[in-house]
Amino acid sequence: DAGVIQSPRHEVTEMGQEVTLRCKPISGHDYLFWYRQTMMRGLELLIYFNNNVPIDDSGMPEDRFSAKMPNASFSTLKIQPSEPRDSAVYFCASRTDSPNRYNEQFFGPGTRLTVL
Amino acid sequence: RKEVEQDPGPFNVPEGATVAFNCTYSNSASQSFFWYRQDCRKEPKLLMSVYSSGNEDGRFTAQLNRASQYISLLIRDSKLSDSATYLCVVSGKDTGRRALTFGSGTRLQVQP
Repeated sequence: DAGVIQSPRHEVTEMGQEVTLRCKPISGHDYLFWYRQTMMRGLELLIYFNNNVPIDDSGMPEDRFSAKMPNASFSTLKIQPSEPRDSAVYFCASRTDSPNRYNEQFFGPGTRLTVL
Repeated sequence: RKEVEQDPGPFNVPEGATVAFNCTYSNSASQSFFWYRQDCRKEPKLLMSVYSSGNEDGRFTAQLNRASQYISLLIRDSKLSDSATYLCVVSGKDTGRRALTFGSGTRLQVQP
């Protein structure tokens, strides 16, 4: 298995531009998570999906952020308009709900976003 | 107060040393506990789950104290390759939440 795939790996954009981050979870996983990591705040959950349905979006900072999961193999996180304070590493993670696994989440390599 | 608190370190130890990290969590409803490892500019990876009775995986030992809401990780015979940030992680099943709550991490630097 290729693991969780994220694209792009690096994104540099200017303030006010729209940014779209993409994620392909591990095949067969029921849950997909979006996290953000910064030096100041550490690793924070933004939103997660179960079977393509958003379950908890309480971590989404504000209306500029939106996430979708149109099917089991693809999710996007969009920021519009972007601001310099959105600069961070954005991780996507997935996991199965098998009772034989102990909640292990598998993370993608992350997208390093810089907003100038 | 953060939900999961860790000493950020860094812990600088010589090869072969034993080092222990501690972590406290505030949500008494938390049900699952983990240690993740994160190398510089890489994604977090599961190091080990933490069970109520304590568990060991090679040179790594994890302990959980539910009464004190305290988790620990002990690394014996440290290797240079153990240098990384160690993240204390909890999750709960209240309201069906399956997400993880991460501590800010403890940085370990093992020196030759």
